[in-house]
Amino acid sequence: EPEVTQTPSHQVTQMGQEVILRCVPISNHLYFYWYRQILGQKVEFLVSFYNNEISEKSEIFDDQFSVERPDGSNFTLKIRSTKLEDSAMYFCASTLKGDPGPSSYNSPLHFGNGTRLTVT
Amino acid sequence: SQQGEEDPQALSIQEGENATMNCSYKTSINNLQWYRQNSGRGLVHLILIRSNEREKHSGRLRVTLDTSKKSSSLLITASRAADTASYFCATVPFMNYGGSQGNLIFGKGTKLSVKP
Repeated sequence: EPEVTQTPSHQVTQMGQEVILRCVPISNHLYFYWYRQILGQKVEFLVSFYNNEISEKSEIFDDQFSVERPDGSNFTLKIRSTKLEDSAMYFCASTLKGDPGPSSYNSPLHFGNGTRLTVT
Repeated sequence: SQQGEEDPQALSIQEGENATMNCSYKTSINNLQWYRQNSGRGLVHLILIRSNEREKHSGRLRVTLDTSKKSSSLLITASRAADTASYFCATVPFMNYGGSQGNLIFGKGTKLSVKP
C-alpha cells in the first residue's frame, strides 16, 4: 500500500537554526498537510496545501514557518529560526479528494511516521 | 473551547474484552474520524462517520455518533494485544468551507493497553 514518507526521522538542531523537514506524499494525492504533536499533547493542525498554494493555516503557522512543493514529489516544511518550543513531532499527511465542496471533506488523511524535532 | 475530548484518558483491558472509548466535541461537524497511533508512529485512519450517520462498522470496530449530544464512541470488540495504541477522534467543523479538510481537530486521545 502506498505510504507517506518523512525524512529525517529525528532532527536535532540548535535554537535559532533553520530546519527543513521533508515529506513525500502519496503520488496521486492532491492535498498536503503538516501537523505537529508536542510530547503528551494533542495533534495540532499547522497548514494545508493545494494546487501549489496554502489553503489554510493555523495560528501556530506564523512567519517563521513556510511550506513548499519544489517538485512533483516532495513537500517540505521550513522553520526559519527554531525556538525551544518548536520541539515536537511533525507529521506530514496527504489525501486524495474529489470535487471541492462538503463532499470533499470526507476523505481520510494518510499520515507519515513523523519527524521528531528536538531544539536545544 | 476544546474540540474532540476523549474519555477515558487511559484504558487497560485483557485480551478478548471489548474496549469502548468516547469522544465529545463542541461545534457542529461535517464528519468525525477515529485514528490510531502506535507508539512513535504516525496516525492511521480507522473509520469516518458523517454527520448524517448514526452508526458505522468496520471489522471489529463500531462507531456511533450522536450529534444532539455532540458525542461519539468507538468500540473495539474482542480486543487483541496488537490493538494497544492511542486512539484519537478528530472532527471537521461544519464552518470549514472552501474545499479543504485541512484543519482536522484532534483530541488528546485515549491510551489503550490490551494485556495478553
